[in-house]
Order: sequence, then C-alpha cells, then structure tokens
Amino acid sequence: NAGVMQNPRHLVRRRGQEARLRCSPVKGHSHVYWYRQLPEEGLKFMVYLQKENIIDESGMPKERFSAEFPKEGPSILRIQQVVRGDSAAYFCASSPIPGTGETQYFGPGTRLLVL
Amino acid sequence: TQLLKQSPQFLSIQEGENLTVYCNSSSVFSSLQWYRQEPGEGPVLLVTVVTGGEVKKLKRLTFQFGDARKDSSLHITAAQPGDTGLYLCAGANDYKLSFGAGTTVTVRA
Repeated sequence: NAGVMQNPRHLVRRRGQEARLRCSPVKGHSHVYWYRQLPEEGLKFMVYLQKENIIDESGMPKERFSAEFPKEGPSILRIQQVVRGDSAAYFCASSPIPGTGETQYFGPGTRLLVL
Repeated sequence: TQLLKQSPQFLSIQEGENLTVYCNSSSVFSSLQWYRQEPGEGPVLLVTVVTGGEVKKLKRLTFQFGDARKDSSLHITAAQPGDTGLYLCAGANDYKLSFGAGTTVTVRA
C-alpha cells in the first residue's frame, strides 16, 4: 500500500528557471490537494484538483503557478520563472472522498530552494 | 494572518512530564485534525475531532475539541523522547484545511 509519493524530494533552481513538482496520490484516490509551507508558518492551501479538473485554485498565486492532474500520470505543480520567495516546502495530499478535510493523506513534500 | 493560533510555539520538557498544546481560532470548523510532522517529512494524521466537546484518547495522548468547535487541545501524559516533533492543528471546512504554525515539542531524556 504505497502512500502519497512526491518527487523530487529536493529541488534547487536559479531565479528565472522553471520548477516542476510531481505528486502520485494513494492508489485509488482521485482527489489531490497542494499546500505550501514557508519557514515558521503553517501549511497554506493552494489548489484542489480532481482528475482532469481544477476544482479550487483560490490559494494559488495568479501568476507563474499552475497545476494539473491528468487522466493518466501524476499531478504536477509548475512554477515558472521562480523567485527567491518561492523557496518553501510543497506538500501534496490525496483523499478517496471528495470534499472533506478529514481524509487527506500527505506526501513527504518537495523542498524547493531558489538561489 | 494565521487563522489558527497554536501555543506555545516551543515546548521543552523532561521525560515523564506532562504537556499541553493549544489551538485557538475565532472561526468555527466542521472538524479539526491534529498532525505530527518529523523533519523532512510530511504531516501524519494523529486524530480527527468532529463533535463539540469531544474528547479522544490515543494511548498517552488526549485530544479535546471545544464546545463551540473553534479550539482544541492536545495533552500528552508522561512524555517520552519519542514524542519529540512538530505538532500541527488544522481546521477543516469542506476540503480546505487551515493549519496553525505548529508547536515544536522537545522531550529530553
């Protein structure tokens, strides 16, 4: 029973480059959530996706950030033209049931460092 | 602005002592979760409380949800070094979790 998998676990990018973060949900889960954790702060909701649909992206910056969850393959969080302020831990969670906070299982996160 | 405020931010105690972590909010949540996060890992769910006034026990951990469903507490009895970690509370309304900044607990042997 594999849990939520994220890769890479660590990612270093220079300012202006692109960062691609991948999340494979628990097998059978079709609901994926992305959160960002800044130093000394709690996790902040970014986006909620179902297969091929973005349900809620209210927590995601309007520019440079995008997310997808295709029919096949992992969910991708993409950050274009990264800046130093994007340095953070990005966590993905998945759930089998739509619309509940009670059943979200978190992955180990991707630590992004922007130089 | 943090929707959920956790206190204290840091807590260091001797093995065998008791500790309590608080999670307070001005908002009402449909449920509240407590997580523990190890360095370099993601949050791991400890418990979910749903009903106002609910108390749940997990071995030496006792979780309480306030009557108004706005605040919660985590009490650890006879803490052990293995309890060391970052404890996070998160309030849920539908799918959106709002996290506190966490309490770093250190239990010294």
